[in-house]
Amino acid sequence: DQQVKQNSPSLSVQEGRISILNCDYTNSMFDYFLWYKKYPAEGPTFLISISSIKDKNEDGRFTVFLNKSAKHLSLHIVPSQPGDSAVYFCAASWGTSYGKLTFGQGTILTVHP
Amino acid sequence: EAQVTQNPRYLITVTGKKLTVTCSQNMNHEYMSWYRQDPGLGLRQIYYSMNVEVTDKGDVPEGYKVSRKEKRNFPLILESPSPNQTSLYFCASAYLGGTSGRVNEQYFGPGTRLTVT
Repeated sequence: DQQVKQNSPSLSVQEGRISILNCDYTNSMFDYFLWYKKYPAEGPTFLISISSIKDKNEDGRFTVFLNKSAKHLSLHIVPSQPGDSAVYFCAASWGTSYGKLTFGQGTILTVHP
Repeated sequence: EAQVTQNPRYLITVTGKKLTVTCSQNMNHEYMSWYRQDPGLGLRQIYYSMNVEVTDKGDVPEGYKVSRKEKRNFPLILESPSPNQTSLYFCASAYLGGTSGRVNEQYFGPGTRLTVT
């Protein structure tokens, strides 16, 4: 049972526009969420995180939004750049099991010049 | 340079032949973890360790063993590999800091591509 789902396998965006990557979760116990980016032939790198006590967190061009009632989070990239082209994974953890992380399937983002 | 190293980077082996993939970090991180990446399934956590001698199962621990005898090393052991363990494996480490002690920014190794025939 996939508790964290990224239902869009891929997303294509024009340079300068907004990229919106989505993530849904089913386990209401999750209370901490993260986004990672992965380039081919490299390990993932951390982008941004959000606690369930917040509904928004910003870091430069990256903003994560959390809608707890809908069990949905999204990553906004504004403006999108060709170097943002990568696979994006969302991940979740909870409470006393905060060392255990559940990742989504990933979304391939392509930003066209 | 702060880094997570994995060895080997590529490995082709046969069913049933025990193997170990090593992972080492030089950042004095408390937390270490192993993941496998498979097409359509994303990253799945195999085992994690909150500190020396403290390990716990992730979502897909079957067929794997780990140990954490030293802070810097976290080897992944496949006692009897099978073809369904063919995958891309990543080791990661993180500092457990801040008031929450949450696993936040994990540093990942470059990956080990394992093929079991």
